[in-house]
Amino acid sequence: GAGVSQSPSNKVTEKGKDVELRCDPISGHTALYWYRQSLGQGLEFLIYFQGNSAPDKSGLPSDRFSAERTGGSVSTLTIQRTQQEDSAVYLCASSLAQGSRYEQYFGPGTRLTVT
Amino acid sequence: GQQVMQIPQYQHVQEGEDFTTYCNSSTTLSNIQWYKQRPGGHPVFLIQLVKSGEVKKQKRLTFQFGEAKKNSSLHITATQTTDVGTYFCAGPKSNYQLIWGAGTKLIIKP
Repeated sequence: GAGVSQSPSNKVTEKGKDVELRCDPISGHTALYWYRQSLGQGLEFLIYFQGNSAPDKSGLPSDRFSAERTGGSVSTLTIQRTQQEDSAVYLCASSLAQGSRYEQYFGPGTRLTVT
Repeated sequence: GQQVMQIPQYQHVQEGEDFTTYCNSSTTLSNIQWYKQRPGGHPVFLIQLVKSGEVKKQKRLTFQFGEAKKNSSLHITATQTTDVGTYFCAGPKSNYQLIWGAGTKLIIKP
């Protein structure tokens, strides 16, 4: 079956522009995570969705970042007024259900470059 | 706050040498997961350990979970070029969120 997909794979944008990153989780996976990974660094948690529950937005670095998940499936991460420090790889992961014991399946990521 | 420390940050080995990465948590973990990220790739789940003192093997990879469930290790015997990448440990921060180690990058010397 299909894995987690993300689009675009690469995005170059000018400082101050808005960007939208898309994630298609594995069908049937109710939990969805967004992470940010700067070059050579670990994973920084951004936001978590579980079914129709309110998302955990505690990892969003500023109010320029927002995310939504429509119909419990596809998710979009939006960054408004991008800054150079937003440059990173944005990874989406899904898991079968809520619970830290469920393995997370990652998408290939979107590499965002803000010039 | 809760921390997961992973050492070393980098390890350079000759092909055929062994490699070990260590993961230490500031709190007791109910479980720990290990992931591998190839260069330019995304993290891929390797294994989960749940029991105190648990040891699991996958071919040349040996995973251990400490008796106190606060530390874990991954040991690779006789490294190969296919082992190159960054190895991450991750433990529960909440009932759904993981806290990740910073990763150990395995580099094979030319």
